[in-house]
Amino acid sequence: EVQLVQSGAEVKKPGESLKISCKGSGYSFTSYWIGWVRQMPGKGLEWMGIIYPGDSDTRYSPSFQGQVTISADKSISTAYLQWSSLKASDTAMYYCARLDYGLDYWGQGTLVTVSS
Amino acid sequence: EIVLTQSPGTLSLSPGERATLSCRASQSVSSSYLAWYQQKPGQAPRLLIYGASSRATGIPDRFSGSGSGTDFTLTISRLEPEDFAVYYCQQYGSSRPLTFGGGTKVEIK
Repeated sequence: EVQLVQSGAEVKKPGESLKISCKGSGYSFTSYWIGWVRQMPGKGLEWMGIIYPGDSDTRYSPSFQGQVTISADKSISTAYLQWSSLKASDTAMYYCARLDYGLDYWGQGTLVTVSS
Repeated sequence: EIVLTQSPGTLSLSPGERATLSCRASQSVSSSYLAWYQQKPGQAPRLLIYGASSRATGIPDRFSGSGSGTDFTLTISRLEPEDFAVYYCQQYGSSRPLTFGGGTKVEIK
């Protein structure tokens, strides 16, 4: 069974760093792109970027380029999304998803709250 | 970047009615790379349609997708109570970045 399991909810202060994770199982992790999607409270889905764990090829949405870093460790089938300095506006639910024909499997989401 | 515009923003219908949702792209999208998702409150999105018209695994046949070029449609032939949700289109073409439409909320009238 294909599964993407994300790390738990985080509460951080502005300026702090954060790295959240997405662990894949039940399929060849290195053979599919993994994307990250932001959903701010009460809002729609926003595409952040995507990584191919096989060779770490990474593409960012222009809106998120320079704001976050996407990485992957294929040895443990895990993709990451990280911030070096969080802002209150980063408060959102973050989803990872596997790209095949569409985003066919999704993680359960990681809620990130940034508040002083 | 391809911009996807969904309409209407909200669709108020009764169970058993037909729902027609539109997704218009700012430039031509390969039909092979247009998807639709359903999202219910507190849940991750779920893939409904890929390749503009192919149903994902386990999706009931009351959901259908059509269209090409810049105009795509998701149709729900007869709304069931569990279909009231928000629907998003997405293009996932080979030319990254991928983009989502703004969503259409299907609510109970």
